[in-house]
Amino acid sequence: EDKVVQSPLSLVVHEGDTVTLNCSYEVTNFRSLLWYKQEKKAPTFLFMLTSSGIEKKSGRLSSILDKKELFSILNITATQTGDSAVYLCAVEAWTSYGKLTFGQGTILTVHP
Amino acid sequence: SAVISQKPSRDICQRGTSLTIQCQVDSQVTMMFWYRQQPGQSLTLIATANQGSEATYESGFVIDKFPISRPNLTFSTLTVSNMSPEDSSIYLCSVEGAGGSYGYTFGSGTRLTVV
Repeated sequence: EDKVVQSPLSLVVHEGDTVTLNCSYEVTNFRSLLWYKQEKKAPTFLFMLTSSGIEKKSGRLSSILDKKELFSILNITATQTGDSAVYLCAVEAWTSYGKLTFGQGTILTVHP
Repeated sequence: SAVISQKPSRDICQRGTSLTIQCQVDSQVTMMFWYRQQPGQSLTLIATANQGSEATYESGFVIDKFPISRPNLTFSTLTVSNMSPEDSSIYLCSVEGAGGSYGYTFGSGTRLTVV
């Protein structure tokens, strides 16, 4: 059974800090690893990492995938209060297309 | 990527009743996915809905409790039947993003409280 473990479970920082969120996974026939930001109800897509795209960057956010060690990190630099949210990591297998297995999430709180 | 309109946004329901959640997508999609997020928990896939065939349910979820309709390529409904307080959750629909490289897009979610 596919498994995703995120750490830390919660994190409190001040504006301007840099944070690193971790995601380790076990999945058979790996297709992709995805990062989402969840502020209220709907998760918002951040990154999708695959065998052909192991590093992504968008503004202050970046993510890398280590397929050998089976983990990914999400970095947020110069954090802002608007970054406060739950960050979710999910994996998808080729054999269960479209089925995402989510980790428990990291609750990030950014104080002014 | 696809835009999904989900409703209702929230509802408070009496135990023993049923609620139907709707998702409308602005483009045709082959598969739609329904997730549940219980309080303090992460998302769990309930079922995959294909147009023209029965939905495929994940372990622990059954059709009698969560019947799904998929009448066309842009619309799906999930019904939560004979509700109990344990059904209080956020329910989300999802579709694949455009070109397959934009992950999966989620609807705005339905926050269900059963009293």
